[in-house]
Amino acid sequence: TQLLEQSPQFLSIQEGENLTVYCNSSSVFSSLQWYRQEPGEGPVLLVTVVTGGEVKKLKRLTFQFGDARKDSSLHITAAQPGDTGLYLCAVYSGAGSYQLTFGKGTKLSVIP
Amino acid sequence: DSGVTQTPKHLITATGQRVTLRCSPRSGDLSVYWYQQSLDQGLQFLIQYYNGEERAKGNILERFSAQQFPDLHSELNLSSLELGDSALYFCASSVVVLYNEQFFGPGTRLTVL
Repeated sequence: TQLLEQSPQFLSIQEGENLTVYCNSSSVFSSLQWYRQEPGEGPVLLVTVVTGGEVKKLKRLTFQFGDARKDSSLHITAAQPGDTGLYLCAVYSGAGSYQLTFGKGTKLSVIP
Repeated sequence: DSGVTQTPKHLITATGQRVTLRCSPRSGDLSVYWYQQSLDQGLQFLIQYYNGEERAKGNILERFSAQQFPDLHSELNLSSLELGDSALYFCASSVVVLYNEQFFGPGTRLTVL
């Protein structure tokens, strides 16, 4: 059983459309991170959310941490081809742990 | 550029062989992490070193081992290679603080034939 379930697994949209991807779990977390990975590169951290109900904005990207701290969503407004990539959510598993556990990711393609 | 370097970028070898992957962390980062990324399993944590000592172990096979040297660079050794070991191997480094950000290198693509 995966600790983090991400959906959808694949998403292909036209430039200018809006989209939301999800990261769900049955476990409670003290924090959750979102990374973006482009082809041929390593993941890059986008945001860390730590408070239940927290909303963080990064230009056209809006991240939300669920009230119960079990899930998170990433919403992209007016998607652009540069948003194409693999979006991964990740959590530190275990108290005092620096071991990151990743979901399998959502592969996003934005078509010009 | 994350500041983390990995060599080689690509590696093709045969089953049963042994390879060594190398990672240089960002300047000042004491912690190094190794991950394996495959299509079916996703990105999986293998092992963490902090200032030369093993700190955490994940889903690392007994055929795999790692070490961190006094200059803080790290090596991941993979032996008795199997076809299923073909994957991307990433190294990341960080400072060890609450909610720390891990900076990932560009990865080594290993192909076992």
